[in-house]
Amino acid sequence: NAGVTQTPKFQVLKTGQSMTLQCAQDMNHNSMYWYRQDPGMGLRLIYYSASEGTTDKGEVPNGYNVSRLNKREFSLRLESAAPSQTSVYFCASSVLSGTSGRATSDTQYFGPGTRLTVL
Amino acid sequence: AQTVTQSQPEMSVQEAETVTLSCTYDTSESNYYLFWYKQPPSRQMILVIRQEAYKQQNATENRFSVNFQKAAKSFSLKISDSQLGDTAMYFCAFKAGGTAGNKLTFGGGTRVLVKP
Repeated sequence: NAGVTQTPKFQVLKTGQSMTLQCAQDMNHNSMYWYRQDPGMGLRLIYYSASEGTTDKGEVPNGYNVSRLNKREFSLRLESAAPSQTSVYFCASSVLSGTSGRATSDTQYFGPGTRLTVL
Repeated sequence: AQTVTQSQPEMSVQEAETVTLSCTYDTSESNYYLFWYKQPPSRQMILVIRQEAYKQQNATENRFSVNFQKAAKSFSLKISDSQLGDTAMYFCAFKAGGTAGNKLTFGGGTRVLVKP
């Protein structure tokens, strides 16, 4: 299993450009999340999807949109990038119900991150 | 709203020694989970250990153990027999129980440097 994968690993944008960050998981998890990590800080939740077909705002949703394409994939879109969105973006997933090996419904597993710079 | 506080921005420890990282949290929830995540220079977020609030017994995972003090809302991480590969940022995180609000709230992190 690859776990949680994210593309791209690095991206540089100009102010006003748009882009979509892709995330996929192969662990049959129900819930997926997008976080951002600013320098010297912990992660903050942008959006999450508790299950396929649902999405909800997290702590810092402004300037972002998400799409839960199917159970495996959860994308994050920046419609008009701003320098304040320069950050490292992490996708995560968790099992909402039941168990899967060591995973339980409350444990989130993270992708490798995308480093985004907006000039 | 929950808050998580890590009061030690940076700590250093000699290889094979023990280091303890502090974490305090504030919540009105009675059912919740606490986690320690490790973030090495590769940036990958790696789960180190987790604790269910309803369990009185402190969780352990090999060289990692926690001291969970529910009344004091404290959740410290002890790394025993420190190894060079333990050098990383460590984040304490909180999650309320139940399916509502499945999000993690993170502390600001503690940078751990293991010296040879």
